[in-house]
Amino acid sequence: AQSVAQPEDQVNVAEGNPLTVKCTYSVSGNPYLFWYVQYPNRGLQFLLKYITGDNLVKGSYGFEAEFNKSQTSFHLKKPSALVSDSALYFCAVRDKAAGNKLTFGGGTRVLVKP
Amino acid sequence: GAVVSQHPSWVICKSGTSVKIECRSLDFQATTMFWYRQFPKQSLMLMATSNEGSKATYEQGVEKDKFLINHASLTLSTLTVTSAHPEDSSFYICSSGTSGATFNEQFFGPGTRLTVL
Repeated sequence: AQSVAQPEDQVNVAEGNPLTVKCTYSVSGNPYLFWYVQYPNRGLQFLLKYITGDNLVKGSYGFEAEFNKSQTSFHLKKPSALVSDSALYFCAVRDKAAGNKLTFGGGTRVLVKP
Repeated sequence: GAVVSQHPSWVICKSGTSVKIECRSLDFQATTMFWYRQFPKQSLMLMATSNEGSKATYEQGVEKDKFLINHASLTLSTLTVTSAHPEDSSFYICSSGTSGATFNEQFFGPGTRLTVL
């Protein structure tokens, strides 16, 4: 079975400071990893994905994530956070052995203060 | 990226009535669509996988007779909540991926907020 853990329910950061949202995963095969962002009463917006290749993946809105196989982690990062980055962030994993279904972490609420 | 729409964006209904939610892929063909529900301050829980032209596959614990899914075309899947009760009140989100590779990301609709009185 595949699973995703986001250990922090909420992350608070000052505008302009670096932002990190943590994610660890568990799959039986090779992981396909995704980050999504959700604004209030909206669907999820895709930020970035890791399939293969470089461990550092760059995505939308200045976000990036680093795949670490040994630590089974895929932390989301942004060098300088904006107030508009305040939202709910979900990490997700897909394992082909699980029938292409996405499994989501519990979500991390990010609050960027001016 | 691909665009997925949902209709309606919100609905309020009386207990015991049925509500239909539509999910459309606007600029691509969606062989497979997924239906999720999300309770306040919680993550998305997959309810079912909808396959065009065949029966949906429901996750464990999801009543297939209560949550009817129809995927009659490559651009439309519907979720009907039958005999809705207040505990069915939730945010329902559909998603789809472009056909083909496993590693393509899913594209999500904007969600439908259902409130059952």
